[in-house]
Amino acid sequence: DQQVKQNSPSLSVQEGRISILNCDYTNSMFDYFLWYKKYPAEGPTFLISISSIKDKNEDGRFTVFLNKSAKHLSLHIVPSQPGDSAVYFCAASAGNFGNEKLTFGTGTRLTIIP
Amino acid sequence: DARVTQTPRHKVTEMGQEVTMRCQPILGHNTVFWYRQTMMQGLELLAYFRNRAPLDDSGMPKDRFSAEMPDATLATLKIQPSEPRDSAVYFCASGFRPYEQYFGPGTRLTVT
Repeated sequence: DQQVKQNSPSLSVQEGRISILNCDYTNSMFDYFLWYKKYPAEGPTFLISISSIKDKNEDGRFTVFLNKSAKHLSLHIVPSQPGDSAVYFCAASAGNFGNEKLTFGTGTRLTIIP
Repeated sequence: DARVTQTPRHKVTEMGQEVTMRCQPILGHNTVFWYRQTMMQGLELLAYFRNRAPLDDSGMPKDRFSAEMPDATLATLKIQPSEPRDSAVYFCASGFRPYEQYFGPGTRLTVT
């Protein structure tokens, strides 16, 4: 039972344009959400997060939006750069903002076209 | 530059053999996680420890997998006997604050 779903296995975006990666979840107990970025032959690295008390969090070129009623979050990258080409994982956690246990999605491979 | 290290980076073994993967967490981190990455399931949490004590291993097939932390600088994941369906990339991660997980480079396991 996949509680965190990334329905697009891959996405290609022109350099300079906006990249939008989507994530859906089914567990209403999730209260904290994260995005990780992964390059080949490396482990995932933390990118940005958002708690359920917010609907938007921004960090430089990266913005995460949370729509709790739709159980949906998205990651926007503007402008997209070639170094953004990687696999992006969405992750979620449940339990009073203090539970380290993360449930990950299957990932979306983003390719930025120069 | 503190990093999580994992050995070996690659392992090819035959079905039925024992496999041991090792992880050195970042010094000072008190929480250690083991994940498995497959194409179908993405990143699955197998087990995690805090202060060397197991907190949750519900994601791990109990009959063949075992995870331990003999000391604060070493975490191990063993598979005995290994099966072809265990072929995956296994990641170790460590942290000391909620949600901060620093991942190692992974061990790519192939069981033939």
